[in-house]
Order: sequence, then structure tokens, then C-alpha cells
Amino acid sequence: GEDVEQSLFLSVREGDSSVINCTYTDSSSTYLYWYKQEPGAGLQLLTYIFSNMDMKQDQRLTVLLNKKDKHLSLRIADTQTGDSAIYFCAERKSSASKIIFGSGTRLSIRP
Amino acid sequence: ETGVTQTPRHLVMGMTNKKSLKCEQHLGHNAMYWYKQSAKKPLELMFVYNFKEQTENNSVPSRFSPECPNSSHLFLHLHTLQPEDSALYLCASSQESSGAYNEQFFGPGTRLTVL
Repeated sequence: GEDVEQSLFLSVREGDSSVINCTYTDSSSTYLYWYKQEPGAGLQLLTYIFSNMDMKQDQRLTVLLNKKDKHLSLRIADTQTGDSAIYFCAERKSSASKIIFGSGTRLSIRP
Repeated sequence: ETGVTQTPRHLVMGMTNKKSLKCEQHLGHNAMYWYKQSAKKPLELMFVYNFKEQTENNSVPSRFSPECPNSSHLFLHLHTLQPEDSALYLCASSQESSGAYNEQFFGPGTRLTVL
């Protein structure tokens, strides 16, 4: 089946690292994505990882993929107030046009 | 600015009205999408167009009618909607609708309220 699950909320202190977790059910997924949605805006693609990779790093963002457990995480180093947003995990098969999104994790930053 | 624009940004309509949402992409993409984002629910894919042809309709009620006159423009025509259709409607585009080049770029959305 197709299902992507995330926790709804995460609160971190400014300057700390944020880790947003996601689990998915479709082991044939080829692409796994992280999108960010700020208030009043559409979704912005942050990063993606192919299913044949274990890790991808892009500046403050680190994506880890555990294919065995079907677990994806997004780590944001040195979290800033501008990182406050909803983060969506998503998956897609190579042959498909449909992206399956999770419900999103709302990240809030406390001083 | 993602290169995908949507108008209007906000829309309030009665159940007997007819209105249209517009999406335009300036990225040279060939695929365009409509999504519905309701509170506390995952994004729902509604329609997919690839090279102006509709390739997916995810069991969307007929009161939503998409139109794609060219690869840069996508419309969603609305008529006799229900209050439960109130949501954020997001448009997206990608270079292709499948394969390696399906990174989808989203517009800011139209916040629709049906009274």
C-alpha cells in the first residue's frame, strides 16, 4: 500500500539541530523528497534522495535513508527562526507521476 | 519565487457560483498538476496533465473541471461546490510527469472558501 507517516509537531531551541522523521510503506519507492511549506505559501522542494543512497548532505540539511526500516529523516543543523514551517516527506516510484505526501511536521523554534 | 504563479490567491464563493482558478508556469515544463490541501490531511493529487493531455484523474468529483490549453497554463473550473471543498488548491509543474525529471515545483496556492 501507499502510506507516508510523520509526527505532527516538533519544537526545538534556536541553534540546536532539528530531526524530522518519516516512515513509508512502499518499498518500491525510488525517490524520496522533503518539501517545506511556509505560512501562506506553496510547497518548496528542499532536497530529495534516490532509494539507492543512504545519505545526502546539502549545507545545513542532511537526509538519512534506512531502506530496511523504510525510514527517512531530515536533519537541520543550527536551526534558525526562518526554518519555522511545515515539512512534508514524500515518496514516488520512478514510473509514476503521483507523489505520495505525508501529513507534514510543523517545526516551531523557541528562543 | 518558484516560477509557478496562481490566481487568485484567495477566493470566496457560494455554492451556486461558477469560478475558475488559474495557474501559469514559466519554467518550460511539460507536466502540470492540481493538488488539494485540506487541514490535517495529506496533500491529495487531483489531476495530472502531460503535454496538455490529462493522464490522471484521482476520482475527483465532476464539479471540478480542469483545462490545460497549453503546457504553460492550467485552469480548474469550479461549479456547484460544497463547503467541504474549502481548501488550499495548489498547482505544480515538472519537466516530465514520470521518470527522473519529476521534481515538482509548486505555486503559492489559492485559498478557497465555499459558503
